[in-house]
Amino acid sequence: DQQVKQNSPSLSVQEGRISILNCDYTNSMFDYFLWYKKYPAEGPTFLISISSIKDKNEDGRFTVFLNKSAKHLSLHIVPSQPGDSAVYFCAASAKGYSTLTFGKGTMLLVSP
Amino acid sequence: DARVTQTPRHKVTEMGQEVTMRCQPILGHNTVFWYRQTMMQGLELLAYFRNRAPLDDSGMPKDRFSAEMPDATLATLKIQPSEPRDSAVYFCASGLRIDRHYEQYFGPGTRLTVT
Repeated sequence: DQQVKQNSPSLSVQEGRISILNCDYTNSMFDYFLWYKKYPAEGPTFLISISSIKDKNEDGRFTVFLNKSAKHLSLHIVPSQPGDSAVYFCAASAKGYSTLTFGKGTMLLVSP
Repeated sequence: DARVTQTPRHKVTEMGQEVTMRCQPILGHNTVFWYRQTMMQGLELLAYFRNRAPLDDSGMPKDRFSAEMPDATLATLKIQPSEPRDSAVYFCASGLRIDRHYEQYFGPGTRLTVT
């Protein structure tokens, strides 16, 4: 049973537009959420995170929104750039636990 | 620039052979994780260590996989005997506690192909 779900395997966006990547979770114990970005032949790299005490966290072009009642989070990239083309993983952890539970990833393609 | 390193980057082997993958965590990180990435399952946690002690290896097939951390600068993942279904990319990550949570830093992965 997948506790973190990314229902869109892929997303295509034009350069300059907004990219919205979605993630749903089922485990009510999760209280910390992260997004990782992965380029081919490289390991995932940390992008941005959010604690459950917040509903929004912003870092430059990247913003993560958390809706706890819906158990849903999203990553917004504005404006999207071709260099943002990568696989994006949503991950979650529960308080006191060092392990992360990952979604299967969404491949983002930003075309010029 | 501190990074997690993994060797080898690629490994092709025949079914039945032993495979050993190595990881050097970031100096000062006390938690090390092994993940496997497949198309079907995404990123699966196989095992993890804290302060070199194994905390959880429930994600590993016990009969053929083993993970060890002989010292603070080396973690190993062994498969013996290897099978075609083990073909995947294996990632090592080391972790650091930030406030009440851990952030994980991944290595570049070992792409394993078992024929």
